[in-house]
Amino acid sequence: RKEVEQDPGPFNVPEGATVAFNCTYSNSASQSFFWYRQDCRKEPKLLMSVYSSGNEDGRFTAQLNRASQYISLLIRDSKLSDSATYLCVVNIFRASNEGSQGNLIFGKGTKLSVKP
Amino acid sequence: DGGITQSPKYLFRKEGQNVTLSCEQNLNHDAMYWYRQDPGQGLRLIYYSQIVNDFQKGDIAEGYSVSREKKESFPLTVTSAQKNPTAFYLCASSIDRPGGRDTQYFGPGTRLTVL
Repeated sequence: RKEVEQDPGPFNVPEGATVAFNCTYSNSASQSFFWYRQDCRKEPKLLMSVYSSGNEDGRFTAQLNRASQYISLLIRDSKLSDSATYLCVVNIFRASNEGSQGNLIFGKGTKLSVKP
Repeated sequence: DGGITQSPKYLFRKEGQNVTLSCEQNLNHDAMYWYRQDPGQGLRLIYYSQIVNDFQKGDIAEGYSVSREKKESFPLTVTSAQKNPTAFYLCASSIDRPGGRDTQYFGPGTRLTVL
């Protein structure tokens, strides 16, 4: 199983649609979860952190399912400006000489295209 | 303004040359990171540093070197030993608690092309 896995898409949706992305992760010890947004040829930017109880920021809702080891991102009322690649990010612990070392692992991203 | 800067934005290199990419942050973050991104691929960690004068290899460190002489600066050298250096290079920083749990903030990136 890949450490962090996302459906690459593309998701092509009309303006106003609701769209949801899932991301699965392999490490049950993971404690930190994020969604980043990356526009074409730009750097990733933090969209939102994902908390255990789920959290909402305007049209965006993030949820965590620890039992099934996945996080989700829901975008309501899609705008043209939402077109981008959405990266799932999870801290994954790996064994090392010093014990267990955690680092953020980035998924390959899910591409969203919102059409007029 | 607080943030992370990278320079240059675009860099062209001839085969066999070493080049150094600059990364500076004024966020007072302890941890800094270098990633590379290839088209259609995720970010892959090259090196990271959790404190001045200390750094660790990431998943793809071969052909790269770094230094961390100052908290604000984490330059990356792409050496001639890196066989496929053409990529988008991203620098990031975070406050850093153990276990890599902190949000990372990215610079605008350097696009390196080997001619």
